[in-house]
Amino acid sequence: NAGVTQTPKFRVLKTGQSMTLLCAQDMNHEYMYWYRQDPGMGLRLIHYSVGEGTTAKGEVPDGYNVSRLKKQNFLLGLESAAPSQTSVYFCASAPWGPNPYEQYFGPGTRLTVT
Amino acid sequence: DQQVKQNSPSLSVQEGRISILNCDYTNSMFDYFLWYKKYPAEGPTFLISISSIKDKNEDGRFTVFLNKSAKHLSLHIVPSQPGDSAVYFCAAGTASKLTFGTGTRLQVTL
Repeated sequence: NAGVTQTPKFRVLKTGQSMTLLCAQDMNHEYMYWYRQDPGMGLRLIHYSVGEGTTAKGEVPDGYNVSRLKKQNFLLGLESAAPSQTSVYFCASAPWGPNPYEQYFGPGTRLTVT
Repeated sequence: DQQVKQNSPSLSVQEGRISILNCDYTNSMFDYFLWYKKYPAEGPTFLISISSIKDKNEDGRFTVFLNKSAKHLSLHIVPSQPGDSAVYFCAAGTASKLTFGTGTRLQVTL
């Protein structure tokens, strides 16, 4: 049981390049989330999904797109990377229920945009 | 507009003593409150939670207190241990989403 895994662990991009971050969970969770963590800012929600085929915007969605084609996977895309997107990205999942707040987090992806 | 605030960026406590971490929030719609713990180079891990209809929840050495009238949340760790040294995030939930505070770095010294 791997829990929540994220691919890749590290990445360096040049401004304007695109990339996709992959999050996978093997716990059959309904809810999945993408956060970014910046120094002094805590974790901020980018996008989330309440089930397969659904996505919704979080607090800081601009510059990102997401897809949840399979229940176990949640993809975060950067179409044209900017230095402001340098951050550590965390994926999380939670089981179905009225309070999906006890979330399971992946180990993070450290992204640098130069 | 920061809806969840942790005003103390860091806290140092001696081993065996009590650690008290504080958190304030502004949104009355929050119905669930949690504490997450984070070690360097790892993702946050869930520690303890409390529903808005309660004022206290205890789990071993960890107790969370909620004061709704003051919109204040606190985490007590008794006794503190060196392995508790980490960054602690307060989080508040509503509508399937969490809002996190900026974190408090706890250092437990020998």
